[in-house]
Amino acid sequence: GQSLEQPSEVTAVEGAIVQINCTYQTSGFYGLSWYQQHDGGAPTFLSYNALDGLEETGRFSSFLSRSDSYGYLLLQELQMKDSASYFCAVRDPKDSNYQLIWGAGTKLIIKP
Amino acid sequence: DGGITQSPKYLFRKEGQNVTLSCEQNLNHDAMYWYRQDPGQGLRLIYYSQIVNDFQKGDIAEGYSVSREKKESFPLTVTSAQKNPTAFYLCASSIDPAGEQYFGPGTRLTVT
Repeated sequence: GQSLEQPSEVTAVEGAIVQINCTYQTSGFYGLSWYQQHDGGAPTFLSYNALDGLEETGRFSSFLSRSDSYGYLLLQELQMKDSASYFCAVRDPKDSNYQLIWGAGTKLIIKP
Repeated sequence: DGGITQSPKYLFRKEGQNVTLSCEQNLNHDAMYWYRQDPGQGLRLIYYSQIVNDFQKGDIAEGYSVSREKKESFPLTVTSAQKNPTAFYLCASSIDPAGEQYFGPGTRLTVT
């Protein structure tokens, strides 16, 4: 079957660094994406890794290791507004449709 | 301003009634998607369309129907055959099937 595993909840302190891990098991792989969703809102795209290594975008970085079927999202200098759920999603080129397979999400709780 | 609109934001229906959720985009995207999200869960794909007049079932299509008569519009009908229709419904679009997905604000449907 196809599955993505990520922690259900992570707690961190404002100003700190937090890492949200994601491991995947899918029949195909075309890249790992990360999305942020605030309560009641729509998911917004954060990053995409197609190749191994680290991608940095401001305070957020995303890492991928295809040999380990593993990636993570790193958030630095945490701000209260970063409190949200974070989803990893694998693009699976099934039938050439490149469907996104979603993890269940990690709720990030930030304390002052 | 380009984007995706969904209406209404909240929708209440009695059991046994069909209901249609609207999704419109002016991003000139070819691909459009409907997802369902239940509390504390990731997104599950209901239907997707790669091009006008064409659409495919996702993982949980039973009890739902769609149409794609115009590039800009991808309405979803939740039929009375859907056993547990109460959920948060998200529409998304991408420039092509492998592209980053942009989401609308969602429609929260409650069926009693």
